[in-house]
Amino acid sequence: AQSVTQPDIHITVSEGASLELRCNYSYGATPYLFWYVQSPGQGLQLLLKYFSGDTLVQGIKGFEAEFKRSQSSFNLRKPSVHWSDAAEYFCAVGGSTNAGKSTFGDGTTLTVKP
Amino acid sequence: DAGVIQSPRHEVTEMGQEVTLRCKPISGHDYLFWYRQTMMRGLELLIYFNNNVPIDDSGMPEDRFSAKMPNASFSTLKIQPSEPRDSAVYFCASSGGESYGYTFGSGTRLTVV
Repeated sequence: AQSVTQPDIHITVSEGASLELRCNYSYGATPYLFWYVQSPGQGLQLLLKYFSGDTLVQGIKGFEAEFKRSQSSFNLRKPSVHWSDAAEYFCAVGGSTNAGKSTFGDGTTLTVKP
Repeated sequence: DAGVIQSPRHEVTEMGQEVTLRCKPISGHDYLFWYRQTMMRGLELLIYFNNNVPIDDSGMPEDRFSAKMPNASFSTLKIQPSEPRDSAVYFCASSGGESYGYTFGSGTRLTVV
């Protein structure tokens, strides 16, 4: 069965500092990997996705993520965090054997200090 | 594209009443998902449809919950009778397939008093 682990429940960074959110997955075939962001009172928004090709993928809002098959990881990064990036971030895994469904992690809440 | 549209945005109802949540997916998306989000339990998948057919309803909490998708542009989630523990934010999401990712609606915040 597929699963996603986001080891950090809560992360605090200073504005302008770099950010890395961790995601580890378990999936028996080639995974499709996603990062979503949820601002307070909003639905989840897709930031970026990986399903083939270049293992470094670029997304919206200046985010990027790197797929590392050997480590079963898909960590999200941003070089310089803005106060507006404060939100909850979800990693998800799906794939061709998953009948269209993604499995979500429990989320990481990002706080940005001024 | 207007995105995934959910209604109502907020619903306050009394225990025992019937509640119906509505969702209009993105045109052309053939997957539709219903999720529930609470502080205690996080994001839970309740049910999902492919081409209007329910594929997996194992997340539906109990028989009080039911969902339908009569056509490609409309789905409902019904709770009858509602209970205070059903209070949560309910999200609808649609997708064009496994590699597409989901587009979520803004959610319906349900409060049962």
